[in-house]
Amino acid sequence: KQEVTQIPAALSVPEGENLVLNCSFTDSAIYNLQWFRQDPGKGLTSLLLIQSSQREQTSGRLNASLDKSSGRSTLYIAASQPGDSATYLCAVKAPGGYQKVTFGTGTKLQVIP
Amino acid sequence: DAGVIQSPRHEVTEMGQEVTLRCKPISGHDYLFWYRQTMMRGLELLIYFNNNVPIDDSGMPEDRFSAKMPNASFSTLKIQPSEPRDSAVYFCASSLGRGNTEAFFGQGTRLTVV
Repeated sequence: KQEVTQIPAALSVPEGENLVLNCSFTDSAIYNLQWFRQDPGKGLTSLLLIQSSQREQTSGRLNASLDKSSGRSTLYIAASQPGDSATYLCAVKAPGGYQKVTFGTGTKLQVIP
Repeated sequence: DAGVIQSPRHEVTEMGQEVTLRCKPISGHDYLFWYRQTMMRGLELLIYFNNNVPIDDSGMPEDRFSAKMPNASFSTLKIQPSEPRDSAVYFCASSLGRGNTEAFFGQGTRLTVV
């Protein structure tokens, strides 16, 4: 059974800092990995999708990397802003045509002005 | 497109009552997912549909839960009878095709059973 863990569970940083969020998964046989952002009381917004054959994806100040063999992904946020404050979730999709997605436990980020 | 639309946004009901949550996926998406989010268990996949057909309902917690997708633009998740432990945020998501495609989530329905 796939298990996805995110460390740390919560993080507080001053504005402008670069930061790294971690995601680890127990079964390296994944189809893809997706990073989401969730604002309080809101749904999930997709940030980046990394296919199993890719090593990283970038979007603006965000960069996500994937190391399937070690079961790890990181989300790098450059020059953090107060608007980045949210909960960040990673999710892995099982291979074989199944759509089963397992979500991580989330990292709650607070960027202090 | 307006994105995935869920209704209601909030629902408060008494234990034992029937609850129906509704979802309208993004037009053209052929996969629809129902998730439940709680503090204790995080986000859990309950069931998903492909072309209106239920594919995997192994995440549905009990027989009190049922889901239908009568057409490509509408799905319901029903709980009958509801219990306090069903209180959670229920999300609907849709995606196009299979494999390496993004899932788009609705705003969720916050259900409180008292």
